[in-house]
Amino acid sequence: EPEVTQTPSHQVTQMGQEVILRCVPISNHLYFYWYRQILGQKVEFLVSFYNNEISEKSEIFDDQFSVERPDGSNFTLKIRSTKLEDSAMYFCASSADRGDAGELFFGEGSRLTVL
Amino acid sequence: QKEVEQNSGPLSVPEGAIASLNCTYSDRGSQSFFWYRQYSGKSPELIMFIYSNGDKEDGRFTAQLNKASQYVSLLIRDSQPSDSATYLCAVNGGSQGNLIFGKGTKLSVKP
Repeated sequence: EPEVTQTPSHQVTQMGQEVILRCVPISNHLYFYWYRQILGQKVEFLVSFYNNEISEKSEIFDDQFSVERPDGSNFTLKIRSTKLEDSAMYFCASSADRGDAGELFFGEGSRLTVL
Repeated sequence: QKEVEQNSGPLSVPEGAIASLNCTYSDRGSQSFFWYRQYSGKSPELIMFIYSNGDKEDGRFTAQLNKASQYVSLLIRDSQPSDSATYLCAVNGGSQGNLIFGKGTKLSVKP
């Protein structure tokens, strides 16, 4: 069964360091998303990506964040200068249709710990 | 600011009982509604989606939507211990398909 894969599964970094989280969406999917979930909190939308550009972003997705689809398979989230409050589980998701029109497939997540 | 509210629980039911999970949403214009299940430390997985008022059944799961009351529910019949998880309600957010999630209701099914 096709799945969304994410690496690394867990990353520990020092405050102020740059972090890149990687995702390989399902191959025939067209819509890509990053969500995050702070421990014990709700899943929060960060950004959506379609047709090689950001289609929507939340207030959380400030200038410290960027996304890229450098080739036909990878989808990355970069946090330029990490803060303590960036510690969370980051989920990549993809869908064949727009996420609210069909099934959103989530990866297993990348846990980011900022010290 | 669109909001999705759920009782955080925990909701505890005996094995074989019906579990009823509820969700309210703030934006009357919301059109798509989803129930996800999240096991501890895992990613959300879709159980059901519903777009129209009324009931939608899939196996042991029934989603109910009442747009007038801005209310969505999920019924789980013949609850099993393996159903023990946090259930997330989500509604469509902006125009590009993002979802707004509630905080989730933790369900515990006791053998």
